[in-house]
Amino acid sequence: SQQGEEDPQALSIQEGENATMNCSYKTSINNLQWYRQNSGRGLVHLILIRSNEREKHSGRLRVTLDTSKKSSSLLITASRAADTASYFCATDLNQAGTALIFGKGTTLSVSS
Amino acid sequence: GAGVSQSPSNKVTEKGKDVELRCDPISGHTALYWYRQSLGQGLEFLIYFQGNSAPDKSGLPSDRFSAERTGGSVSTLTIQRTQQEDSAVYLCASSPRPGDEKLFFGSGTQLSVL
Repeated sequence: SQQGEEDPQALSIQEGENATMNCSYKTSINNLQWYRQNSGRGLVHLILIRSNEREKHSGRLRVTLDTSKKSSSLLITASRAADTASYFCATDLNQAGTALIFGKGTTLSVSS
Repeated sequence: GAGVSQSPSNKVTEKGKDVELRCDPISGHTALYWYRQSLGQGLEFLIYFQGNSAPDKSGLPSDRFSAERTGGSVSTLTIQRTQQEDSAVYLCASSPRPGDEKLFFGSGTQLSVL
C-alpha cells in the first residue's frame, strides 16, 4: 500500500511564482525525503527532514514536517522553467533497515 | 563511474521471454533497491538488499520476478516469462547504509514487452 501521497497531482504556475506541494503519510517515520524526477527516469534527492525537525531550508526549497498530522510540504520559491519536473515524497516505516516508500508524485509545470 | 549505472537503458522483448536487468551501485554503498515505475505513476518498491542481511522481497509482484546481489555489489533483476503488464521503467538505487540516508538513483531501464 502507498505510504506517502502527494497533493496536488499536477500544478501549473508562472515563472517567479511559488509552488507548494503536500505529502501525507500513514505510519510513524524516522525521516521524510523529497525527490525530483525529470523526464521519467532517475530521481534526484532534494532534501531530508528528520522526525524531530519541523522545518528545513535548502536554497529555494523549504520543507516542513508536522508529525501530529502526518504531513509534509515542499515549497519552491521564485520558480523557474527549469523546476518543471515531478516531485515525490518518500518515507521509511520507522523500522531499521526498511526500504523507502514513495508517493505517486506531483507534476509541476512552470511556464515562462 | 561515480554514479549508479544501469544496463541496458532500453530493452524490448517479446511476451514470454526472460529478461535480465543489471545495476552497478556506487562503490561502497551497502544498500541497494529496485523500484518499478509504470507510465505516469509513482515508484513501486520491488526488493531491497542491505549488506549481508536477507533481502526484503516483499514488493516483488509475482514469482516470475527475482533478484540477486553478488559480492555485495552488482545486482541483477530477472523477470521470467515476461508479460505486457511488466512494461515499465525499472529503477535501481543505492545508499551508503541501510535506513536513514538518501538514495542515489540510476537512470533506469525502460522495458517494453510486445
